[in-house]
Amino acid sequence: AAGVIQSPRHLIKEKRETATLKCYPIPRHDTVYWYQQGPGQDPQFLISFYEKMQSDKGSIPDRFSAQQFSDYHSELNMSSLELGDSALYFCASSRWDREYNEQFFGPGTRLTVL
Amino acid sequence: GENVEQHPSTLSVQEGDSAVIKCTYSDSASNYFPWYKQELGKGPQLIIDIRSNVGEKKDQRIAVTLNKTAKHFSLHITETQPEDSAVYFCAASKYGGATNKLIFGTGTLLAVQP
Repeated sequence: AAGVIQSPRHLIKEKRETATLKCYPIPRHDTVYWYQQGPGQDPQFLISFYEKMQSDKGSIPDRFSAQQFSDYHSELNMSSLELGDSALYFCASSRWDREYNEQFFGPGTRLTVL
Repeated sequence: GENVEQHPSTLSVQEGDSAVIKCTYSDSASNYFPWYKQELGKGPQLIIDIRSNVGEKKDQRIAVTLNKTAKHFSLHITETQPEDSAVYFCAASKYGGATNKLIFGTGTLLAVQP
């Protein structure tokens, strides 16, 4: 079965640079979620989109922005990167018309800020 | 705010023994409780979930129980195998609106000794 695809899998950036993370949801899934997971921590919700509109927002810094495109893929844009942004970034997708819409996670993007 | 507590943080069992992980949630409006297994360097994998209108659910060696009154839910793994070794996260969410972000517990590192 097709899974969530994330790219790149690894990314190394310098402080104050920008980064773009991409997420391709499972086919026919219309909702995308972004989570950030620090070392040894649980995933923390950042932001979500349903049908290309932002549907919820969590602890996402103002330096970050995201959007969902017409083909349902999503991009997380991160600017003025800080050392503390180093983490695993996961995208999850779900299908709105399924009860309780189970979320399926991608393999993640490991971002390292030097 | 919304909070999910998870215990224990680490659990070591002998192969063939049972393992139990417990979670407590704070938001009484939560109605969906998934469990995820995360192996090193990989994304969280949904292994079982339970809705608020069900008290228990079983899938082969894995079972989950929910006590809505006490706001507790637990994961039970029987006949553990070395490949069960991973970090397990419980989560809680509220179905409603256009999204249901997951609030994760802090994770349990399960080690199954052969």
